[in-house]
Amino acid sequence: GEDVEQSLFLSVREGDSSVINCTYTDSSSTYLYWYKQEPGAGLQLLTYIFSNMDMKQDQRLTVLLNKKDKHLSLRIADTQTGDSAIYFCAELQGGKLIFGQGTELSVKP
Amino acid sequence: GAVVSQHPSWVICKSGTSVKIECRSLDFQATTMFWYRQFPKQSLILMATSNEGSKATYEQGVEKDKFLINHASLTLSTLTVTSAHPEDSSFYICSARQGRSGNTIYFGEGSWLTVV
Repeated sequence: GEDVEQSLFLSVREGDSSVINCTYTDSSSTYLYWYKQEPGAGLQLLTYIFSNMDMKQDQRLTVLLNKKDKHLSLRIADTQTGDSAIYFCAELQGGKLIFGQGTELSVKP
Repeated sequence: GAVVSQHPSWVICKSGTSVKIECRSLDFQATTMFWYRQFPKQSLILMATSNEGSKATYEQGVEKDKFLINHASLTLSTLTVTSAHPEDSSFYICSARQGRSGNTIYFGEGSWLTVV
């Protein structure tokens, strides 16, 4: 995970937007991913973006990619208590997924 | 959507015994599957890449003889932890890459291993 970095914690109020940030180092990465992990469970693929795109929107989720700065973000609109989980960004490098440390999102009612 | 299933979800075994964890892609073929290990509150550590019909590629520091990986079909990969010790206790997660070079990678639910 040393090639992909995320902040460890984020706390928001229910109904607000959440923005989770990620920086990566390999400019040749073709795809970048966001996964959600709830306690004791596996990883759920939320969305992914191809490196030649700047933005991808899927319902409440918006992914922004700044390839020049190697910065990826995930915005969750109208955050709900059920969104509380750990969110991992990952880059596809040499056919392997390299993960960040994960951001723990806490949603307060 | 695509589903990856792991079995068992949790297992307790005695020190010195071996335990096998299965990873199945339920509705797609996966030429490549990955095995990860995760410690509490930490990120995923890639252990090995499993390729159908060939030997697995292990990451540096992962013992091949201890963590045996078999990928005999396009929908099944197995991880066998041999001669398990308490320090092998962990959460093991597999993932499967859809298609031969697909960009969608799905994860299983994970398997909790406790060695007593």
